[in-house]
Amino acid sequence: GENVEQHPSTLSVQEGDSAVIKCTYSDSASNYFPWYKQELGKRPQLIIDIRSNVGEKKDQRIAVTLNKTAKHFSLHITETQPEDSAVYFCAASYSRGGNKLVFGAGTILRVKS
Amino acid sequence: GAGVSQSPRYKVAKRGQDVALRCDPISGHVSLFWYQQALGQGPEFLTYFQNEAQLDKSGLPSDRFFAERPEGSVSTLKIQRTQQEDSAVYLCASSFSAGRIYNEQFFGPGTRLTVL
Repeated sequence: GENVEQHPSTLSVQEGDSAVIKCTYSDSASNYFPWYKQELGKRPQLIIDIRSNVGEKKDQRIAVTLNKTAKHFSLHITETQPEDSAVYFCAASYSRGGNKLVFGAGTILRVKS
Repeated sequence: GAGVSQSPRYKVAKRGQDVALRCDPISGHVSLFWYQQALGQGPEFLTYFQNEAQLDKSGLPSDRFFAERPEGSVSTLKIQRTQQEDSAVYLCASSFSAGRIYNEQFFGPGTRLTVL
């Protein structure tokens, strides 16, 4: 089955710096890659997603890149702010698998002001 | 509009008790998923419904876990004879899509189950 690995497990950055979180997946059939942000005690919320027919997607300060050949994808946050502090999860899914999400273990991002 | 809701938000059970966790998906959403999130980990898939049909239950950890969605809307996850290792947050998610068309999964706030 699908396996998703996520690095780093924790990341501390200074406010205004960039943060990068990387994930690799094992199943080449995966075709959808969302990123979720989860604040303490709250529900996961989608912040950006990318499909396998696209190499890069950007939404204001957030961007995601996908390398299908290498089976890895990354989240980039620029100009980080204290409110970006949270746990970030990457996930992978493929439509023939019923669209279930396989999540990485998460990255705790701390933005220091 | 209303998002995905779950009840109860917190549940404490004694080992061996049965529990039932409820999920109200977004109205009109065809797909419904249950995930288990252990402390400090990512959510792990338990089971998936398309309308009332349970199409995938490969993630259910044992036969003590049972899920249903009899009318294709509200879903209940039941855990029989709870064990300490069942302690986790149980997340429900729904999406509009079915089949091969993928749409965002919207998550509920979760039910935190603690088994003493």
